[in-house]
Amino acid sequence: DAGVIQSPRHEVTEMGQEVTLRCKPISGHNSLFWYRQTMMRGLELLIYFNNNVPIDDSGMPEDRFSAKMPNASFSTLKIQPSEPRDSAVYFCASSSRTGANTEAFFGQGTRLTVV
Amino acid sequence: AQSVAQPEDQVNVAEGNPLTVKCTYSVSGNPYLFWYVQYPNRGLQFLLKYITGDNLVKGSYGFEAEFNKSQTSFHLKKPSALVSDSALYFCAVRDASGGYNKLIFGAGTRLAVHP
Repeated sequence: DAGVIQSPRHEVTEMGQEVTLRCKPISGHNSLFWYRQTMMRGLELLIYFNNNVPIDDSGMPEDRFSAKMPNASFSTLKIQPSEPRDSAVYFCASSSRTGANTEAFFGQGTRLTVV
Repeated sequence: AQSVAQPEDQVNVAEGNPLTVKCTYSVSGNPYLFWYVQYPNRGLQFLLKYITGDNLVKGSYGFEAEFNKSQTSFHLKKPSALVSDSALYFCAVRDASGGYNKLIFGAGTRLAVHP
């Protein structure tokens, strides 16, 4: 398996523009997580899905952020409108079961820069 | 709420010496603990996990971790450090509250192994 695939790897956009980050989880995994990594806050869980259903979005910072998972093989994280403080590395991760003993596998991340 | 703490921002070790990266946890119920490593410009890679059983857990790349219930610790160790071990290390705990599971990460510890 190719692992968790994220696109794009890098995104530079102007403040106010819409940004869409994409994730393809590992085939057969039924849990998907979106994390944000910054120097100030470290790794923050934004939202996670189980069987394509959003379970906990309490980490989503503002209404400008939204996430969808239309099917088991694809998820998006959208920021509209984007702001410079959204600059960070965004990671997607997936795991095979909701059991507590399962590890999550991470994608390479998308480095977002909002200027 | 479940949490982990990594008390050291950075650990410096000479190549060939043993290394320890510290992690303490706070959980209600059984702890499910994980270690991940992040190399520059890469996603997080799973190293090892503690679910139950032996307190000494062996993982990838020669790493191991010791679970200590009385001290609520889960320190990462390696008998002989390599320069290539230099990276960012994250401890994580599974939060199973609400019937679902999400990984909560510590702030990370940067390991620098010097030749």
